[in-house]
Amino acid sequence: DSGVTQTPKHLITATGQRVTLRCSPRSGDLSVYWYQQSLDQGLQFLIQYYNGEERAKGNILERFSAQQFPDLHSELNLSSLELGDSALYFCASSATGGGYEQYFGPGTRLTVT
Amino acid sequence: GDSVTQMEGPVTLSEEAFLTINCTYTATGYPSLFWYVQYPGEGLQLLLKATKADDKGSNKGFEATYRKETTSFHLEKGSVQVSDSAVYFCALSILTGGGNKLTFGTGTQLKVEL
Repeated sequence: DSGVTQTPKHLITATGQRVTLRCSPRSGDLSVYWYQQSLDQGLQFLIQYYNGEERAKGNILERFSAQQFPDLHSELNLSSLELGDSALYFCASSATGGGYEQYFGPGTRLTVT
Repeated sequence: GDSVTQMEGPVTLSEEAFLTINCTYTATGYPSLFWYVQYPGEGLQLLLKATKADDKGSNKGFEATYRKETTSFHLEKGSVQVSDSAVYFCALSILTGGGNKLTFGTGTQLKVEL
């Protein structure tokens, strides 16, 4: 158990809908990262937050957004969902903004039908 | 941009065989290197890491050495077990402006048979 929790574990929804994925980092970790794992694109970095502020951005679609709250938990919002958004979404956390290993949660499997 | 190349899988071995999974990288800066493992239906677990040239990361019998001259970080284990069956990901991270995203390889599936 990495200490990173993600909810829900599975999510099934229809095209055009909006969903919110939630992540709680390990106790004491200030950085939260979001990654997408799909068969065709592999593991891709989406976005990083550090202590409530956006720190780095990857290939995150404009339909996707994220935030980190004062209690350090983070939410990833996915809107106007398309079939191609079906994937595993992982959250990871680390102690600082950089230079430390990242610990991954169990993931949320999103299926868009 | 930064990238990681891993050998294609699946790799199928008999129990107690020697394992090598090749990993090479391209990076504009000076990266830290990692191996993560993903067991079926689970998230990624950090297996080992190395942060500078000639560092050797090791854990649970697995080892990898950071080779700057060949830009490689090959994963090795002397004697694999059935329980090592999983997907192994090589990754790099470079600190830029305070951020440190992980860039992953495509993953190598390892199957160990009795």
